[in-house]
Amino acid sequence: GDSVTQMEGPVTLSEEAFLTINCTYTATGYPSLFWYVQYPGEGLQLLLKATKADDKGSNKGFEATYRKETTSFHLEKGSVQVSDSAVYFCALSSKAAGNKLTFGGGTRVLVKP
Amino acid sequence: DVKVTQSSRYLVKRTGEKVFLECVQDMDHENMFWYRQDPGLGLRLIYFSYDVKMKEKGDIPEGYSVSREKKERFSLILESASTNQTSMYLCASSFYEKLFFGSGTQLSVL
Repeated sequence: GDSVTQMEGPVTLSEEAFLTINCTYTATGYPSLFWYVQYPGEGLQLLLKATKADDKGSNKGFEATYRKETTSFHLEKGSVQVSDSAVYFCALSSKAAGNKLTFGGGTRVLVKP
Repeated sequence: DVKVTQSSRYLVKRTGEKVFLECVQDMDHENMFWYRQDPGLGLRLIYFSYDVKMKEKGDIPEGYSVSREKKERFSLILESASTNQTSMYLCASSFYEKLFFGSGTQLSVL
């Protein structure tokens, strides 16, 4: 079945540091890929997505590129802020699985001033 | 903005009690989902529904049931709560592949 693996946290950074969160996936066919973010005390919200190979999703300074050859969708941000402290979830959706989302375990990111 | 509202932010129940978690969405979405969130395990799908009175089992349906009598409301039911059901429960509705989540209900079963 479909699965998503992402790096375990917590990841602790200083403000203005570079952030990378690794995500790899296993899926049948050609899934769509997503990053969701959960701020403290809130539900998840969509951060960015990519629907086909070599697509780049971007939002709020975050970027991720759909790499079919390495089955990866790593999240990056060049200069993080304290307000980026959150839990980040990588997810995929495939037609073979009825378009249901499969989530990774989540990565907690803490940005210190 | 899409709003997905979960009736309680925190709940404390006793083992064996019947528990109802309510979820309402205001965007006329057909698809609704219930997930549980546990540290290190991410989100796991319990049940989902593609239409009124329709339900499908997710990955971990054991010990749970659901009800969807109206399009905007999707209820999760724990028939006899157990301590291993202590968790954060998240409801979502979707438009195509984009999910909109509620703020979650932290359920503690003692």
